[in-house]
Amino acid sequence: TQLLEQSPQFLSIQEGENLTVYCNSSSVFSSLQWYRQEPGEGPVLLVTVVTGGEVKKLKRLTFQFGDARKDSSLHITAAQPGDTGLYLCAARVDSNYQLIWGAGTKLIIKP
Amino acid sequence: NAGVMQNPRHLVRRRGQEARLRCSPMKGHSHVYWYRQLPEEGLKFMVYLQKENIIDESGMPKERFSAEFPKEGPSILRIQQVVRGDSAAYFCASSLKDVEFNQPQHFGDGTRLSIL
Repeated sequence: TQLLEQSPQFLSIQEGENLTVYCNSSSVFSSLQWYRQEPGEGPVLLVTVVTGGEVKKLKRLTFQFGDARKDSSLHITAAQPGDTGLYLCAARVDSNYQLIWGAGTKLIIKP
Repeated sequence: NAGVMQNPRHLVRRRGQEARLRCSPMKGHSHVYWYRQLPEEGLKFMVYLQKENIIDESGMPKERFSAEFPKEGPSILRIQQVVRGDSAAYFCASSLKDVEFNQPQHFGDGTRLSIL
């Protein structure tokens, strides 16, 4: 059974601080996606990473896919209250359409 | 509205009743996925459908649950004889093309099902 473990489960920090959240597995994935979900809404895709070692930037968010394609991290620089939400990682094995999901990191940025 | 539309947003049923959840995919999308999410958990795949076909229902309980995506109209997730454990948020996602590596899925805002 492939599992995606996200850490920390919960993070509350002050506006302006930096943070990193992680998504780890013992399985190798063909691709990994990060989503953000706000209360009462569906997940919104932030980024897809495919190549081992790949780094993608989205404004203040930096996503990295591990060299072995088993893990990923999301780093937020100078966090803002608008970054508050549930950050979910989801991954595919081979070309299977099924996404395996982590339980998410609940992030709160205090003004 | 170009997004994935789910209705109702909230549904309350008593134990033993039937629940019908609807999903209209994005315009032009012919692939639909249903997921279930419990509080403080990630999403769990239930079923993948293309127009008039169930491609993969391996994540859906074999009893009481069924799904369809007719040629015309929305996809329907049907839960018969609901039990308290069916309470969850059910999300629908759609994609544009055939199952494809990294094909993005676009999510609706979900139906929150509560069983009394």
